[in-house]
Amino acid sequence: QKEVEQDPGPLSVPEGAIVSLNCTYSNSAFQYFMWYRQYSRKGPELLMYTYSSGNKEDGRFTAQVDKSSKYISLFIRDSQPSDSATYLCAMIGDNDMRFGAGTRLTVKP
Amino acid sequence: SAVISQKPSRDICQRGTSLTIQCQVDSQVTMMFWYRQQPGQSLTLIATANQGSEATYESGFVIDKFPISRPNLTFSTLTVSNMSPEDSSIYLCSVATLYEQYFGPGTRLTVT
Repeated sequence: QKEVEQDPGPLSVPEGAIVSLNCTYSNSAFQYFMWYRQYSRKGPELLMYTYSSGNKEDGRFTAQVDKSSKYISLFIRDSQPSDSATYLCAMIGDNDMRFGAGTRLTVKP
Repeated sequence: SAVISQKPSRDICQRGTSLTIQCQVDSQVTMMFWYRQQPGQSLTLIATANQGSEATYESGFVIDKFPISRPNLTFSTLTVSNMSPEDSSIYLCSVATLYEQYFGPGTRLTVT
């Protein structure tokens, strides 16, 4: 089993839709959780990071962490074509950092 | 935040040759990382390069294949040695400040 599983696979939504991106993990030592956005042919850029369980909101983006279930989510409201990118979850704990495989999101106008 | 630049942005190299990738940061950072991102896969950490100490390599990566230099707090190089087609990948440098991590634009390497 991979330490970080990212779900779902490639995702295509219409403009304005609410997008839900999710990751599960197995290492209970992870404490910091990040979401990165990576446009094609670019390096990943940090979108949001959260510590421990709870929600964090930034504009149209909400990051949610449930440590008891080892499950994190990123919600995008009112999705825009400019949100089309690959989204990677990442987590840090116990001197270890792991990335999910990434979810490719396409928002169609 | 940190602004990171990498050179070259892309290269096509022949099998058996070596390529050195440069990473420049606009501010002094202690922790610098080198990642590889193969097509359709996530980021894989190659090594951690902290200034003033030897680079620490992850399992599956060795110094002879991926020598790293870290001469100061704003610069690092990664060399991909004796390349094979399996080394074709995007190589990214990254810096960390507390729990925020920033990435360079990547170097797209194709080995023929």
